[in-house]
Amino acid sequence: EIVLTQSPGTLSLSPGERATLSCRASQSVGSTYLAWYQQKPGQAPRLLIYAASSRATGIPDRFSGSKSGADFTLTISSLEPEDFGLYYCQQYGDSPLTFGGGTKVEIK
Amino acid sequence: QVQLQESGPGLVKPSQTLSLTCTVSGGSISNGGYYWSWIRQHPGKGLEWIGYIYYSGNTYYNPSLKSRVTISVDTSNNQFSLRLTSVTAADTAMYYCARTGIASRSYFGMDVWGQGTTVTVSS
Repeated sequence: EIVLTQSPGTLSLSPGERATLSCRASQSVGSTYLAWYQQKPGQAPRLLIYAASSRATGIPDRFSGSKSGADFTLTISSLEPEDFGLYYCQQYGDSPLTFGGGTKVEIK
Repeated sequence: QVQLQESGPGLVKPSQTLSLTCTVSGGSISNGGYYWSWIRQHPGKGLEWIGYIYYSGNTYYNPSLKSRVTISVDTSNNQFSLRLTSVTAADTAMYYCARTGIASRSYFGMDVWGQGTTVTVSS
């Protein structure tokens, strides 16, 4: 099973700041097979990024994803108030499909 | 647009079977190109994939749950269902259904989710 380790656990930032979230895989995951989700309290997750860097429909361009070696990164270029919440990465490259433990982005 | 809605009992007794249904509206489950997933989230915890099904009936399960899980599809009613047998308190969670985009050598993510349904296992 591929374990996805997300860091940091919590990111305390102010609106307008840049957020950088990391997701490291325990085994190689192709860039095609990595997605990012946002979840707010009491809501279902929302797909942000698929194939490591492709934005899902309706996702603002302040959200971007990238891959470098075994590390995947989600960047929010300038935080809006509605961006605060939990973020999960997910891999499909190997069964079972797994999620990372999440990064909480909170208002500083 | 496509919408998903979970339904089923919110309370299940230990050792019994949890049964949930996900109704798909705004699109046909038989269109192809998508798998239909069940995911759960324990209180205050992360997300756990349970399994998914294709409209043809092909299923894929998380090995950690495989011995207790059955996912089935009812194309005539545009629904898919989850059965989890021999439940314990550890199965208490929010259960989500989600549309999952998978193609040969490509993964498009879980792009449509139901609102989720809370299932509590307790006597």
